[in-house]
Amino acid sequence: DGGITQSPKYLFRKEGQNVTLSCEQNLNHDAMYWYRQDPGQGLRLIYYSQIVNDFQKGDIAEGYSVSREKKESFPLTVTSAQKNPTAFYLCASSINRGHTEAFFGQGTRLTVV
Amino acid sequence: SQKIEQNSEALNIQEGKTATLTCNYTNYSPAYLQWYRQDPGRGPVFLLLIRENEKEKRKERLKVTFDTTLKQSLFHITASQPADSATYLCALDYTGGGNKLTFGTGTQLKVEL
Repeated sequence: DGGITQSPKYLFRKEGQNVTLSCEQNLNHDAMYWYRQDPGQGLRLIYYSQIVNDFQKGDIAEGYSVSREKKESFPLTVTSAQKNPTAFYLCASSINRGHTEAFFGQGTRLTVV
Repeated sequence: SQKIEQNSEALNIQEGKTATLTCNYTNYSPAYLQWYRQDPGRGPVFLLLIRENEKEKRKERLKVTFDTTLKQSLFHITASQPADSATYLCALDYTGGGNKLTFGTGTQLKVEL
């Protein structure tokens, strides 16, 4: 089945540690995105990539890093510089021609303990 | 920056009635507007897309309108069912190429028997 897979579903991190969230898609989409969702704040764009080996900062990129070495993979690293990392993280992908729907993964809930 | 407003208060309606959700935006008009459904703890799922030159779009029991003069989109669910209970997100796309969706905070809909 085609789709977008995020792992793990739940993740616990100690303060001061970096952690990497996985996002893989087999939809052959060029564009991939990372959003953060907090209660009452909707989805906020962290980073996006429209092509392999290229990515741009979104609205809240500070404390995060990404890579796009393969078309199907777009991992997000939450660094120790992110001051409030506890949140629900969503990865999405879309065809990068025209304006089309985004397909989302099931999300990773990150908790800093 | 662009601001998207959705009613943060939950909308409670009776089964069989029509639910109407509102999405208002400020500043310049987007080229495209999308509506997504999100269930608790899951990623959003695409429902409908409407272009700036379209006034109305329908899909089964769903209808979306787009008024660029009022800077508003209305999302209607006719003959609502308890299974329609979810959070509905409005998303706007402004870029000239590819997708960079900006999301509203969403409105929670509860359909009661």
